[in-house]
Amino acid sequence: NAGVMQNPRHLVRRRGQEARLRCSPMKGHSHVYWYRQLPEEGLKFMVYLQKENIIDESGMPKERFSAEFPKEGPSILRIQQVVRGDSAAYFCASSPRSSSYNSPLHFGNGTRLTVT
Amino acid sequence: AQTVTQSQPEMSVQEAETVTLSCTYDTSESDYYLFWYKQPPSRQMILVIRQEAYKQQNATENRFSVNFQKAAKSFSLKISDSQLGDAAMYFCAYRSSGSSNTGKLIFGQGTTLQVKP
Repeated sequence: NAGVMQNPRHLVRRRGQEARLRCSPMKGHSHVYWYRQLPEEGLKFMVYLQKENIIDESGMPKERFSAEFPKEGPSILRIQQVVRGDSAAYFCASSPRSSSYNSPLHFGNGTRLTVT
Repeated sequence: AQTVTQSQPEMSVQEAETVTLSCTYDTSESDYYLFWYKQPPSRQMILVIRQEAYKQQNATENRFSVNFQKAAKSFSLKISDSQLGDAAMYFCAYRSSGSSNTGKLIFGQGTTLQVKP
């Protein structure tokens, strides 16, 4: 049973370009969370999605960032017009249900975004 | 809003010895979950142990155990018989359990654990 798959593992973008990060949840999981980890810091919640719905985007910057989880295909975190401050590791986690103790979050290995 | 604080940026332990990592949190909720995650240099986030707030008994997973003090809002992780493979960054995390919550985790800043041979 494959775990949470994130790609690419590393992504380099120049300032002003767009970054698209993909996340395929574990089989049977319909809840996806995105987190950002700045260097030497903990993970910060960005957005929580279910299929075709954004449930909680309280951690998402208001501009340039968007996320989707279509009916078919992976979840996408999109960053437009990247700036150096967007350089971080972006993690995706999935769960079969949103809030059960018995459904802990399963994390992918993250995408490290470097903005030059 | 809930917060999680790890006051030890770095810790070190001799191989085979015991080390305790500290974590405190702030919440007005009475029911919630607490977790410890391990992040080795590979960046993978590995669940180490979890605790339900309504359970008084401290969780244990092999060499890993917690000291959960609900009144003090403290959730420390004890690693016994430390091994070189335990070297990693450790994150404490909080998760609400109410019906209206979204299940998101709130993480502390992390503690880097070094294991000396």
